[in-house]
Amino acid sequence: NAGVTQTPKFQVLKTGQSMTLQCAQDMNHNSMYWYRQDPGMGLRLIYYSASEGTTDKGEVPNGYNVSRLNKREFSLRLESAAPSQTSVYFCASSPSGGPSDTQYFGPGTRLTVL
Amino acid sequence: AQSVTQLGSHVSVSEGALVLLRCNYSSSVPPYLFWYVQYPNQGLQLLLKYTTGATLVKGINGFEAEFKKSETSFHLTKPSAHMSDAAEYFCAVRPWMDSSYKLIFGSGTRLLVRP
Repeated sequence: NAGVTQTPKFQVLKTGQSMTLQCAQDMNHNSMYWYRQDPGMGLRLIYYSASEGTTDKGEVPNGYNVSRLNKREFSLRLESAAPSQTSVYFCASSPSGGPSDTQYFGPGTRLTVL
Repeated sequence: AQSVTQLGSHVSVSEGALVLLRCNYSSSVPPYLFWYVQYPNQGLQLLLKYTTGATLVKGINGFEAEFKKSETSFHLTKPSAHMSDAAEYFCAVRPWMDSSYKLIFGSGTRLLVRP
């Protein structure tokens, strides 16, 4: 099992450019999440998908959109990148989304917006 | 709103010394509690979690944490540090009545292990 995979690993964008971060899991999990990690702030939830066909906003959704393409894949799109979106982005998944679930994290995408 | 406080952004210990990383949460109702570890340039990995039952929870790599309701704390300990324990550690909570499924993370503590 590869677990949670993310592409790309690194990306540099110019302000105003768009891009999509890809995430896939092979653990047959129902729930998937996108977080951003900034120095001294821990991880903050951007969007989540409790199950295939549903998505909801997290703590910091502005400037992002998501698509739950199928049960395996959950993508994050930046329509018009801004320097404030420079961050490390982590995708995670969990079996059912229940409160005691363990979330499994991907290796992250390091994004720089110039 | 729920919050998580990790005291000390950096903790430095000698190899073989006790590791103590502090975590306090704000909630009148005990949440579910997690510790994650992040090695350099990697994603987060679960160390241990408290859901219900025994308040002393054992995790991987010799770590354990004790849930103390009266102190709203969930401190992480390891009796003897190894060089391989050098990493960043995150405490996280999930309110058990919250249907949003999110984890609320602390700001992290970077553990440095001196030879």
